[in-house]
Amino acid sequence: AAGVIQSPRHLIKEKRETATLKCYPIPRHDTVYWYQQGPGQDPQFLISFYEKMQSDKGSIPDRFSAQQFSDYHSELNMSSLELGDSALYFCASGLAGAEQYFGPGTRLTVT
Amino acid sequence: KQEVTQIPAALSVPEGENLVLNCSFTDSAIYNLQWFRQDPGKGLTSLLLIQSSQREQTSGRLNASLDKSSGRSTLYIAASQPGDSATYLCAVLSNFGNEKLTFGTGTRLTIIP
Repeated sequence: AAGVIQSPRHLIKEKRETATLKCYPIPRHDTVYWYQQGPGQDPQFLISFYEKMQSDKGSIPDRFSAQQFSDYHSELNMSSLELGDSALYFCASGLAGAEQYFGPGTRLTVT
Repeated sequence: KQEVTQIPAALSVPEGENLVLNCSFTDSAIYNLQWFRQDPGKGLTSLLLIQSSQREQTSGRLNASLDKSSGRSTLYIAASQPGDSATYLCAVLSNFGNEKLTFGTGTRLTIIP
């Protein structure tokens, strides 16, 4: 069965640089979610999209933005990177209100 | 604000034993609850989803129960195996339309061969 695809799997950036993370949801899922998991922490919700429209927003810094495109893939753009942005970034997809299926994550390291 | 707690933070049991992981949440008005497994540095694997109207769900050696009124869920693992060693996270979806999952801090499970 198809799973959520995230790219890249690993990313190393320097402070103040920009990063773009991509997510390809499971076909026919109408909702995409982004979560951030810092070292030793539980995942924290960032933002979600339902049918390409932003549906909910969590504690996402203003330096971050996201969108969902016509083919349903989503991108998380992160600018002016800080050391504290180093984390695992997960994308999940699902049908609204139902089970969320997580991708393998992108490990971002900011140096 | 929904808060989710998992106790204990870590648990070690000998192989073959049955065990129970606990999850509690402060706001009982939930839409559903999901249990996940996470291996170190890896992604989240969904194990079971319980809708708010359900009392339990079973998948193989796993059984999850939900008591919404008391704000508790348990994950029962039967006949534990070394491959069950991982961190187990519960997560609550508070409202349909409010799509964020609120996660617990997890229980790190070690099965001793």
